[in-house]
Amino acid sequence: EIVMTQSPATLSLFPGERATLSCRASQSVSSNLAWYQQKPGQAPRLLIYGASTRATGIPARFSGSGSNTEFTLTISSLQSEDFAVYYCQQYNNWPPRVTFGPGTKVDVK
Amino acid sequence: QVQLFQSGAEVKKPGASVKVSCWASGYTFTSSYMHWVRQAPGQGLEWMGIINPSDGYTSYAQKLQDRVTMTRDTSTDTVYMELSSLRSEDTAVYYCARELHSASYWAYWGQGTLVTVSS
Repeated sequence: EIVMTQSPATLSLFPGERATLSCRASQSVSSNLAWYQQKPGQAPRLLIYGASTRATGIPARFSGSGSNTEFTLTISSLQSEDFAVYYCQQYNNWPPRVTFGPGTKVDVK
Repeated sequence: QVQLFQSGAEVKKPGASVKVSCWASGYTFTSSYMHWVRQAPGQGLEWMGIINPSDGYTSYAQKLQDRVTMTRDTSTDTVYMELSSLRSEDTAVYYCARELHSASYWAYWGQGTLVTVSS
């Protein structure tokens, strides 16, 4: 099983600041990585797939980068609605053996 | 537009089974794989498995493969997830999620179904 890790566990920032979230895979997943945002009581929302492609309707302040085992989600200037938990997810295999990272909580400093 | 509607909350006793439904609308039901993902209270996301609504093909997470069954009904555009031998650790919100671009990431999610396992 591919193990996903995320750092930091919690990121405390002011609105307007830049957020940098890291995700690491225990083995190469190529670019088969997605990022989700989740708010309390809601289903996850797809932000990024293919490591760097923004999903439909996702603001340009969200960007993804990386490949193989090291990935980054950047939020260029935090808005109030961006404070949430962010998960990375790999989907490198067929049949799927999808795994998620444990999440990074972005909260207000 | 694509919408996924799930059945309501369930309370079950340990050892029982639960069957959650997910009705799909707004697209051709047989055109996209469906996945199930669960989330225990205050915890992260866990992938459970996949079903192809077209031919019924399934593949399950190794941890759950002895207890989970996913099925579909093409006459009602509904997929089902049944989990047996329930234990307290199965208390979670269960989501169905539809693939985007024929790959295992999901832009479309059901609203979630809370399953509580308690004696």
